Amino acid sequence: GAVVSQHPSWVICKSGTSVKIECRSLDFQATTMFWYRQFPKQSLMLMATSNEGSKATYEQGVEKDKFLINHASLTLSTLTVTSAHPEDSSFYICSAMGDRRVGYTFGSGTRLTVV
Amino acid sequence: AQSVTQLDSQVPVFEEAPVELRCNYSSSVSVYLFWYVQYPNQGLQLLLKYLSGSTLVKGINGFEAEFNKSQTSFHLRKPSVHISDTAEYFCAVSEPLQGAQKLVFGQGTRLTINP
Repeated sequence: GAVVSQHPSWVICKSGTSVKIECRSLDFQATTMFWYRQFPKQSLMLMATSNEGSKATYEQGVEKDKFLINHASLTLSTLTVTSAHPEDSSFYICSAMGDRRVGYTFGSGTRLTVV
Repeated sequence: AQSVTQLDSQVPVFEEAPVELRCNYSSSVSVYLFWYVQYPNQGLQLLLKYLSGSTLVKGINGFEAEFNKSQTSFHLRKPSVHISDTAEYFCAVSEPLQGAQKLVFGQGTRLTINP
């Protein structure tokens, strides 16, 4: 079945530093990947949609310069949280979309803690 | 724009009892519908999906859901739950003909199975 690998699964960083999260589709090509943010006991909030080889489309209210998304290949998208602050602490989840048969496949998530 | 409402934020059920998790959506066009399960600190696992065809959809772990277009609902059911079904459940919708392909999630329902 379709598998999406997301790394790291958890990360702790200091305020002001940047953190990169990777999302890889292991056995299918994903022309579109999605990045979500999830606060404790809440639903998933879509941050941005990234298409291979083009700029990401950000949802309203999401800072493009804060959350840099790169989708350089059909199997890899990265989310970089720049100049992280404690309020950026959250659970980040990626999703890759394959063809109709594959549908949406989610990564296992990344717990980011900024101290 | 589409939206999803999960009517119950928490559902406590005794083991081996039946359960129904309710989901209503709002959209003026054709939709795809999904149910996902999330265990603590993990990503989302697909339980089942409705794309077209039969309105009764069977998924993994004994779950099923029925698409009701007139009531714009997609309720999730299981005839007999296990302790291991304790998790967060999310209903989601996409509008495949609108091009964006993004998933919109409901608020989630916390299913707690009591012995």
